[in-house]
Amino acid sequence: AQSVSQHNHHVILSEAASLELGCNYSYGGTVNLFWYVQYPGQHLQLLLKYFSGDPLVKGIKGFEAEFIKSKFSFNLRKPSVQWSDTAEYFCAVNAGGGSQGNLIFGKGTKLSVKP
Amino acid sequence: EAQVTQNPRYLITVTGKKLTVTCSQNMNHEYMSWYRQDPGLGLRQIYYSMNVEVTDKGDVPEGYKVSRKEKRNFPLILESPSPNQTSLYFCASSSWGRGSPEAFFGQGTRLTVV
Repeated sequence: AQSVSQHNHHVILSEAASLELGCNYSYGGTVNLFWYVQYPGQHLQLLLKYFSGDPLVKGIKGFEAEFIKSKFSFNLRKPSVQWSDTAEYFCAVNAGGGSQGNLIFGKGTKLSVKP
Repeated sequence: EAQVTQNPRYLITVTGKKLTVTCSQNMNHEYMSWYRQDPGLGLRQIYYSMNVEVTDKGDVPEGYKVSRKEKRNFPLILESPSPNQTSLYFCASSSWGRGSPEAFFGQGTRLTVV
């Protein structure tokens, strides 16, 4: 069965620090990859997505992620975090190259940014 | 505006009293699903539907029912709610089969069963 692992449960950073959140998935075939963000009390919103092409994907709010196929990874990065980035971040995988709508989510990483 | 609408946003109910959480999307998406979100467990899929009259179990279907009589609606039914179904529920919809299965989420329904 496909699965998604997010290695950090809770990350605490100061403003302007750099961020990297790990995500690994288990599926040997074609995948679509996503990062979603959930601000406190809100629903999930798409940060960025990878379908094909350039493995370095840029999303909203200065976030980017790199797909490394050999490592089955899709880590999320931001060079300089802000207090407003405090949220929970979810990595998700859609296996089968888009032939199914099913998304498998990781357990999430809570990011707290200290002002 | 593209959106997924869930109702109600908040619900407190008693054990055993049947309830329905509605979900509606205006994007003509084929695929809809229900998730529950619990601390430390992330989002777990309850049921999904690939199109009208086509539904299937997700990872945690016990105690839930769904129906898909119309493309835009995908209600979640709890026939006899129990306290372990206290959770935050999200409905999502997406297109599929076209290589762009981005999921759009509803605002969530916070359910408390006492």
